[in-house]
Amino acid sequence: DQQVKQNSPSLSVQEGRISILNCDYTNSMFDYFLWYKKYPAEGPTFLISISSIKDKNEDGRFTVFLNKSAKHLSLHIVPSQPGDSAVYFCAARGSTGGGNKLTFGTGTQLKVEL
Amino acid sequence: NAGVMQNPRHLVRRRGQEARLRCSPMKGHSHVYWYRQLPEEGLKFMVYLQKENIIDESGMPKERFSAEFPKEGPSILRIQQVVRGDSAAYFCASSPPGTSGGYEQYFGPGTRLTVT
Repeated sequence: DQQVKQNSPSLSVQEGRISILNCDYTNSMFDYFLWYKKYPAEGPTFLISISSIKDKNEDGRFTVFLNKSAKHLSLHIVPSQPGDSAVYFCAARGSTGGGNKLTFGTGTQLKVEL
Repeated sequence: NAGVMQNPRHLVRRRGQEARLRCSPMKGHSHVYWYRQLPEEGLKFMVYLQKENIIDESGMPKERFSAEFPKEGPSILRIQQVVRGDSAAYFCASSPPGTSGGYEQYFGPGTRLTVT
């Protein structure tokens, strides 16, 4: 059972426009959410995170929004740049039993076009 | 400040051989995690260790797989009698002790295991 879902395998955006990547989860015990960016043949790089007690966190061009009632979060990148082209993974941490393990979505391939 | 280091980056093993993957966490980090990524899939949690202790191994296959994080030296993920289905990218991550800094985990570049 996929507890963290990224339903869009790919997204194409023009340079300078906004990129919106979506993520849904089913486990209400998740208490912390993270976004990672991954280039081919490299490890995931941490981008931004949000606690379940907040609904928004911003860091430069990156903003994460959390809607707990809908069990949905999104990552906004604005303005998008060609260097943002990568696979983006949403991840969630369980608050009980699972310790610090992260549950990942399957990723969204973002392509920022000139 | 060196990041998480993994070696080897690429490992080729024949069926039935053993694979040993090494991970050195970031300086000051005492928590280590191993994840596996199969082709076209997301990362799947395998095991969470602290120095000399396995905290959570709920993602580890019951047989052939083991992990350790000794008092001295890197964490080791060991796969005995490898099979073709073990071919994947194995990522190690680390995090600092305590939770005051959030729950971010920092990943190494991965070891790509190919079983022939």
